[in-house]
Amino acid sequence: GNSVTQMEGPVTLSEEAFLTINCTYTATGYPSLFWYVQYPGEGLQLLLKATKADDKGSNKGFEATYRKETTSFHLEKGSVQVSDSAVYFCALLGNSGNTPLVFGKGTRLSVIA
Amino acid sequence: EAEVAQSPRYKITEKSQAVAFWCDPISGHATLYWYRQILGQGPELLVQFQDESVVDDSQLPKDRFSAERLKGVDSTLKIQPAELGDSAMYLCASSSTGWGANVLTFGAGSRLTVL
Repeated sequence: GNSVTQMEGPVTLSEEAFLTINCTYTATGYPSLFWYVQYPGEGLQLLLKATKADDKGSNKGFEATYRKETTSFHLEKGSVQVSDSAVYFCALLGNSGNTPLVFGKGTRLSVIA
Repeated sequence: EAEVAQSPRYKITEKSQAVAFWCDPISGHATLYWYRQILGQGPELLVQFQDESVVDDSQLPKDRFSAERLKGVDSTLKIQPAELGDSAMYLCASSSTGWGANVLTFGAGSRLTVL
């Protein structure tokens, strides 16, 4: 079945540091890929998405590129801020029928000033 | 901005009691999902509705969990009896059909603690 593996946290960075959170997936066909973010005490919010190979999703300075050859969708940001502290989830949606959105386990990011 | 409404935000109950969670999706969204998020884990789908019909409830523990969406709008998730292992965040999400169907909008969640 479809699955997502993302790097375990927690990740602690200083403000303005470079961020990478690795995500790889297993799926048949051509899934859509997502990054969701969960701030403390809140629900999940869509951060960015990519629906086909080589697409780059971007939002709020975050980027991720859909790499089919390496089955990856790594999240990057050039300069993190304290306000980026949250839990980040990589997710996959299969393209066959009513397949559910499948999440990774999440990576907690803490950014310190 | 349209939101998915959930209540209650927090619920503390004793094991063997009944609990219920309510969700009101974004107006016009035909698809509604209930996910369970155990602390430190990613959300896992419990049940998916298309209008009032269940599309996928393969991961719903049907001996104690039930879900309904009678008029195809709001939904209720019930647990009876609650067990210690049910302590988790219960997330409701909705999506439209057609364009944008692959984007789920989540509510703030209902955090359940079973003592």
